[in-house]
Amino acid sequence: QKEVEQDPGPLSVPEGAIVSLNCTYSNSAFQYFMWYRQYSRKGPELLMYTYSSGNKEDGRFTAQVDKSSKYISLFIRDSQPSDSATYLCASNFGNEKLTFGTGTRLTIIP
Amino acid sequence: DAGVTQSPTHLIKTRGQQVTLRCSPKSGHDTVSWYQQALGQGPQFIFQYYEEEERQRGNFPDRFSGHQFPNYSSELNVNALLLGDSALYLCASSRGGSIEAFFGQGTRLTVV
Repeated sequence: QKEVEQDPGPLSVPEGAIVSLNCTYSNSAFQYFMWYRQYSRKGPELLMYTYSSGNKEDGRFTAQVDKSSKYISLFIRDSQPSDSATYLCASNFGNEKLTFGTGTRLTIIP
Repeated sequence: DAGVTQSPTHLIKTRGQQVTLRCSPKSGHDTVSWYQQALGQGPQFIFQYYEEEERQRGNFPDRFSGHQFPNYSSELNVNALLLGDSALYLCASSRGGSIEAFFGQGTRLTVV
C-alpha cells in the first residue's frame, strides 16, 4: 500500500465549476500536507500547505485535512483554463522528505 | 531572485553509462533534495543534503549518489544506467527547518 494515494484521473470540468481533488494517506505520523501544481514539462509548484487538521484558504484555493479519516482535499472555486495541470498531494513529518501521491491530471474546458 | 535552476534540461545516455545532474538552490536556501519522477507518477524521494552531508535517503540503490558543495549547490550522480532510470529528475531546495520546498524545472533523462 502506498503511503499517499491519489486518483490519477484524468478529470475534466467546465470553466467556472468547483473542482474537488482528493488524497488519502496511511501514515498517521504525517503532520504537514501540501498541494503542488505541475504544468506539463515543468517542476512542481507549491500551492499551499496545512499543518495537522483543518482548513486553509488562499484566493480561489482551499485545502482541507481530516486526520481522523486520513483524507486530504483541495477545492478550486471558479476554475479557469489556466488551472489545467497535474495536481500533486504530498505529506511529511516536517522539513524532511516529501511523500507524493500519483497526481491528478485536471483539464478545465473553456 | 533566481529560483532553483537545474542543468542540463534534457540528455540522452546509453545503458551502462554514468550521468551527473546539477542543481543550484534558490537564494538563501541551504537544503537540497533530489526526486525521481517517472512518467505518470508522483516524484519519489532519492536523498537530501544539508551542510554538505546526506541527511536522509530514500529507497534507491547505491548507484545513485550525490554531493553538496559549500555554496549549497548539488550534484546527483547515477552510475551503470538502466533503461528504468529514464525519468524527470527534480531538485528541490528549502531553508533549513522550513516546510516550503521549491522545485526546479527538472532534468529529463532518457536512457537508450
